Amino acid sequence: DGGITQSPKYLFRKEGQNVTLSCEQNLNHDAMYWYRQDPGQGLRLIYYSQIVNDFQKGDIAEGYSVSREKKESFPLTVTSAQKNPTAFYLCASRGLDEQFFGPGTRLTVL
Amino acid sequence: QKEVEQNSGPLSVPEGAIASLNCTYSDRGSQSFFWYRQYSGKSPELIMFIYSNGDKEDGRFTAQLNKASQYVSLLIRDSQPSDSATYLCAVKGWVSNYQLIWGAGTKLIIKP
Repeated sequence: DGGITQSPKYLFRKEGQNVTLSCEQNLNHDAMYWYRQDPGQGLRLIYYSQIVNDFQKGDIAEGYSVSREKKESFPLTVTSAQKNPTAFYLCASRGLDEQFFGPGTRLTVL
Repeated sequence: QKEVEQNSGPLSVPEGAIASLNCTYSDRGSQSFFWYRQYSGKSPELIMFIYSNGDKEDGRFTAQLNKASQYVSLLIRDSQPSDSATYLCAVKGWVSNYQLIWGAGTKLIIKP
């Protein structure tokens, strides 16, 4: 069953903590993306990766980091430098042109 | 700054009527156009994509593209309460081949 999985579904972070969001895909897609969505707003691009061991900053990369060591995996770390991390985080992968999304992780800062 | 604009709504449509959602874009070189549906609390799911001027139909959904006027529309025929969601328009530009530019979405409410 091909698709994109994200974990955890809900995540709570204390002030000053780094947290890592998982994203895995078995669609054999080269390109993967991380977006942030705030209530009532559209998607904002954090990072994207076109191929293994390569990634580029999106529009709001400050306070975030990623790695792409395997084609299937594209984890996102939300660092303590991100001052307002409460949001819905979406991972996507790209087929020929269209992007497909995982179910998302909802991060809340306590 | 390349932009994609959508009316935030909410757009309220009676059940069984046609819902018309619009999206305008600023990059005249844009190549591909996508409509996604997002239910509250869920991730976006792809409904349709269109590349060429004109209409593309898929079941109750029709995407319409007018590159000269730089707009793309989504029509939903025989609207159902289950169509109530936020509809996101996304555009792939000429320069940024690997990125999509996203609109903020239109909230659609189908009234029984």
